[in-house]
Amino acid sequence: GQNIDQPTEMTATEGAIVQINCTYQTSGFNGLFWYQQHAGEAPTFLSYNVLDGLEEKGRFSSFLSRSKGYSYLLLKELQMKDSASYLCAPSKAGGTSYGKLTFGQGTILTVHP
Amino acid sequence: GAGVSQSPSNKVTEKGKDVELRCDPISGHTALYWYRQSLGQGLEFLIYFQGNSAPDKSGLPSDRFSAERTGGSVSTLTIQRTQQEDSAVYLCASSPTGREQFFGPGTRLTVL
Repeated sequence: GQNIDQPTEMTATEGAIVQINCTYQTSGFNGLFWYQQHAGEAPTFLSYNVLDGLEEKGRFSSFLSRSKGYSYLLLKELQMKDSASYLCAPSKAGGTSYGKLTFGQGTILTVHP
Repeated sequence: GAGVSQSPSNKVTEKGKDVELRCDPISGHTALYWYRQSLGQGLEFLIYFQGNSAPDKSGLPSDRFSAERTGGSVSTLTIQRTQQEDSAVYLCASSPTGREQFFGPGTRLTVL
């Protein structure tokens, strides 16, 4: 089974940095995805980590520690359009489970001017 | 290019009726997924198709739910004898590799 924990809500100021944490317990863990979902819209892919460490992609970075079952998404130079829900999703390895994601409840980030 | 499309965008039905939801994945994507999202909730995995392999149906909540994928392309999710708790947004996603998933706009199902 899977157990995914991420904060329900966060607020931050435009131009600031925010870190959204996610802890998980996933049997047969393969990698971890982060998706962004604006209200009323479909999720869009942000990042995928398989190896331990930090991967940077523009204003967004994602970190993974496989041994600790921990990941975070780091958003820099926040913009108003970054207000959205951020979904942590561990994936399972092997067989027909490859690519099967279990999504966390999501962290609703509100960016204030 | 064209993304994942779903139809209808909205469906209102009466309790006990059957509904069919359609997903057209991105051409060439071998993996196809169905999720549902209830108001204020995260995404709940329903079913996963990968190429010609047997689908992973482990997320289907009851035997009222079924899905098929014809010719490795279009997929239909069928809910029989709908219940009010089936009300949700049903999202379809496709993937070329089983890694990054591209989501459709969803079908909002309301069961009265």
